Amino acid sequence: GQQVMQIPQYQHVQEGEDFTTYCNSSTTLSNIQWYKQRPGGHPVFLIQLVKSGEVKKQKRLTFQFGEAKKNSSLHITATQTTDVGTYFCAGRRSGNTGKLIFGQGTTLQVKP
Amino acid sequence: GAVVSQHPSWVICKSGTSVKIECRSLDFQATTMFWYRQFPKQSLMLMATSNEGSKATYEQGVEKDKFLINHASLTLSTLTVTSAHPEDSSFYICSAPPQGAPPQGYTFGSGTRLTVV
Repeated sequence: GQQVMQIPQYQHVQEGEDFTTYCNSSTTLSNIQWYKQRPGGHPVFLIQLVKSGEVKKQKRLTFQFGEAKKNSSLHITATQTTDVGTYFCAGRRSGNTGKLIFGQGTTLQVKP
Repeated sequence: GAVVSQHPSWVICKSGTSVKIECRSLDFQATTMFWYRQFPKQSLMLMATSNEGSKATYEQGVEKDKFLINHASLTLSTLTVTSAHPEDSSFYICSAPPQGAPPQGYTFGSGTRLTVV
C-alpha cells in the first residue's frame, strides 16, 4: 500500500538554528499537507502543496513539493521555542477518496 | 473556520467494557469523517472512514466488530470501542475533510485519550 516516509524522527536544535524535515512517498501524490501537533494536542493544519515544484512560505517556514510530486520538505529558519512539536506530512494520492496517509512525523525540540 | 468537537477528551474504562467516542461538526455538515488512532510517539494510523447514510469502510487489519463506527447524521460520527482491552489504550482522533473553497486542510477533533485498565 501507499507509504509516506518522514525523516528524521527526532531533532534537537539550539534556539536560532535551522530545522528541516523530509517526506517521501512511494507513489505520486495529488497534494501534500503539513500539520503540527503540540504535545498532548491534535494536529493543526499548516499548509497544502498541490503543484509540482511548488514552494510556499509562512514567515520562517518554507514548504517545498518535489517535481515528481513524491517528496516534500519543511524548513524552519531560526527556530524558536514556540516551534516545539511534531511535524507531520500527509499525502493524498491521486484518485483517492480523500484519505490522508501520514508520515511518521518529526519531533522537534528547541533548547532555549 | 470549520470546527470538530470530540468527546470525551479522556476516558478510563475497565477491561471488557465499551466506550463511545463522539465527533460533531459544529458549523458545517460532514458526510465523511476519518478516524485515526495514535500510539505514544507514533504517527496517526487511519482506522476507518465513516460515511453518512452508509456503512463505514475499514482499513486493512482493523476489526470491524471491535471498532463500531456509526455516522448517524450529517453532523455526528461515533466510534465505539467494544470489549476494550489494555492494548486498545491509545489516542483516538477524528478528522473531517476540507471545507470551503478553495479546500484547505483537514479539521481534527481534539482527540480522546483512552486508557483501559
